[in-house]
Amino acid sequence: GQNIDQPTEMTATEGAIVQINCTYQTSGFNGLFWYQQHAGEAPTFLSYNVLDGLEEKGRFSSFLSRSKGYSYLLLKELQMKDSASYLCAVRPTNAGKSTFGDGTTLTVKP
Amino acid sequence: EADIYQTPRYLVIGTGKKITLECSQTMGHDKMYWYQQDPGMELHLIHYSYGVNSTEKGDLSSESTVSRIRTEHFPLTLESARPSHTSQYLCASSEGKGNSPLHFGNGTRLTVT
Repeated sequence: GQNIDQPTEMTATEGAIVQINCTYQTSGFNGLFWYQQHAGEAPTFLSYNVLDGLEEKGRFSSFLSRSKGYSYLLLKELQMKDSASYLCAVRPTNAGKSTFGDGTTLTVKP
Repeated sequence: EADIYQTPRYLVIGTGKKITLECSQTMGHDKMYWYQQDPGMELHLIHYSYGVNSTEKGDLSSESTVSRIRTEHFPLTLESARPSHTSQYLCASSEGKGNSPLHFGNGTRLTVT
């Protein structure tokens, strides 16, 4: 089966750095995705990791450790617009459908 | 920017009615998906398709049905709507490659009274 765990809620201050963790136990692994979803809107793609290590994209970075079944999304220089839900999703096989975690709701305060 | 469209954006309908939620994409993606999401809750996969004439049920049992007669079109139908079907329905598509992310439509927010 597939099991993906993320913290339910996090709060951080504007300008700070926040790390959102995701742990997974899946029957296979062919990549981990992070999506951002603002309230009432559709998810949008942020990052993809398939090999161990850090992928950096501007203010956002994502890290993967396949041996530990662990990933994190790092958001730097937080802005108010970063307040959203962040979804971790694992694709078990190359042709397989993604399984989503419950999402982490991030609130950025002034 | 993703080109995937869902209509209607909002729908309020009475119990027992038949409804079809439309989803179209212009990217030529083979893979298409329907997710159901209640406010503040997780995404649940209810149907997916890997190409024309291919449809499969997802992880969450659903009374809806889908069809895939054309690559760009993946409609979802509820034969008899019930209040328990009230939810947001998100359509998504992706390329065939393993590193291809999902591109989501804006969703249809369905309310069954």
